[in-house]
Amino acid sequence: DAKTTQPNSMESNEEEPVHLPCNHSTISGTDYIHWYRQLPSQGPEYVIHGLTSNVNNRMASLAIAEDRKSSTLILHRATLRDAAVYYCPENSGGYQKVTFGIGTKLQVIP
Amino acid sequence: NAGVTQTPKFRILKIGQSMTLQCTQDMNHNYMYWYRQDPGMGLKLIYYSVGAGITDKGEVPNGYNVSRSTTEDFPLRLELAAPSQTSVYFCASSSQGVDNSPLHFGNGTRLTVT
Repeated sequence: DAKTTQPNSMESNEEEPVHLPCNHSTISGTDYIHWYRQLPSQGPEYVIHGLTSNVNNRMASLAIAEDRKSSTLILHRATLRDAAVYYCPENSGGYQKVTFGIGTKLQVIP
Repeated sequence: NAGVTQTPKFRILKIGQSMTLQCTQDMNHNYMYWYRQDPGMGLKLIYYSVGAGITDKGEVPNGYNVSRSTTEDFPLRLELAAPSQTSVYFCASSSQGVDNSPLHFGNGTRLTVT
């Protein structure tokens, strides 16, 4: 199974950019990289995903290393509403078995 | 579309009782998942299914059973409830395919076993 690692927690000042890292040490060549977030007392929600190229959507940007062994979720201007736990789940080939670690808890400081 | 619907939202069980957590999705997704989340912790995969009639164990399957008789429904059964099963349970679904489409989660069932 592919394994991912993330820092347990990070802090950011409000309105500053945030870079959340994830290591994908055993990712296979055809597995997409997904990011989710979980707001307090809610279920996880999808944020963004990509395969090789950097991706942008209305919520965030995803930067993928050339060797695909790491990725970075970028929040361009953190707001208090972005305080959440962010996950880059492990994915066993073909996305059949998706396992989440403890994620990165992001604290946004006013 | 309603998406992924979980029932009930809350439940209190006594030790040894049994119950079924319901999960249904109206997106015609083939892949479905059950996770549990203990307080302050990440999500742990209990069981998953890649289609009707096919289920497989995740990271923490002991004490649970599942079935997948239809594409829409993926119920999770607790036969003999134990305090260690106190948790929030999330169901998710995905259409999968070559684009590795993302998971859609339900709002969760908060279960307390006393």
